[in-house]
Amino acid sequence: LAKTTQPISMDSYEGQEVNITCSHNNIATNDYITWYQQFPSQGPRFIIQGYKTKVTNEVASLFIPADRKSSTLSLPRVSLSDTAVYYCLVGGTDKLIFGTGTRLQVFP
Amino acid sequence: DTAVSQTPKYLVTQMGNDKSIKCEQNLGHDTMYWYKQDSKKFLKIMFSYNNKELIINETVPNRFSPKSPDKAHLNLHINSLELGDSAVYFCASSQSSREHEQFFGPGTRLTVL
Repeated sequence: LAKTTQPISMDSYEGQEVNITCSHNNIATNDYITWYQQFPSQGPRFIIQGYKTKVTNEVASLFIPADRKSSTLSLPRVSLSDTAVYYCLVGGTDKLIFGTGTRLQVFP
Repeated sequence: DTAVSQTPKYLVTQMGNDKSIKCEQNLGHDTMYWYKQDSKKFLKIMFSYNNKELIINETVPNRFSPKSPDKAHLNLHINSLELGDSAVYFCASSQSSREHEQFFGPGTRLTVL
């Protein structure tokens, strides 16, 4: 089974760009990579999804190298409200594996 | 309007009891999931259903039994509760054409005493 690992925590300041990496060495050909954000006492919330190369939406970018063994979530110009736990999710229809989660703390 | 709702939000019970958690989604999705989040915040999928058919059935004790009466509901029944079952349980839903964009419920915090 694919194992997904992330840094336990990261600190940043408001206005900075934050990059959170997820390692998924055993990713399968049909697996997608998805990132979620979770605030305390809430369910995870979808941020972005990709298969390869780069994907960008209104809140984040997702960078996936050619070998797809890792992925990087990029949050531009973070604010205090971005303080949360960020999870990568790797899988397909019949398997879904969440990463260990990265707690991002944004300081003023 | 709540997209994915779960009841109850909190559940405190004794070891050995049987309990159920209900989940409903009003998004018109055809796939629903149950996840367990432990005290270390690790999220692990337990089950997924597509159009009432079991798709993912991870290695969980057979004391846990999902039931999907229709596409909008996926309930979780737990028999003979144990201390280790204490966790937050999340229900989620998605459309099979966009299966990775899942919408999560608010969670049910289960405490087994």
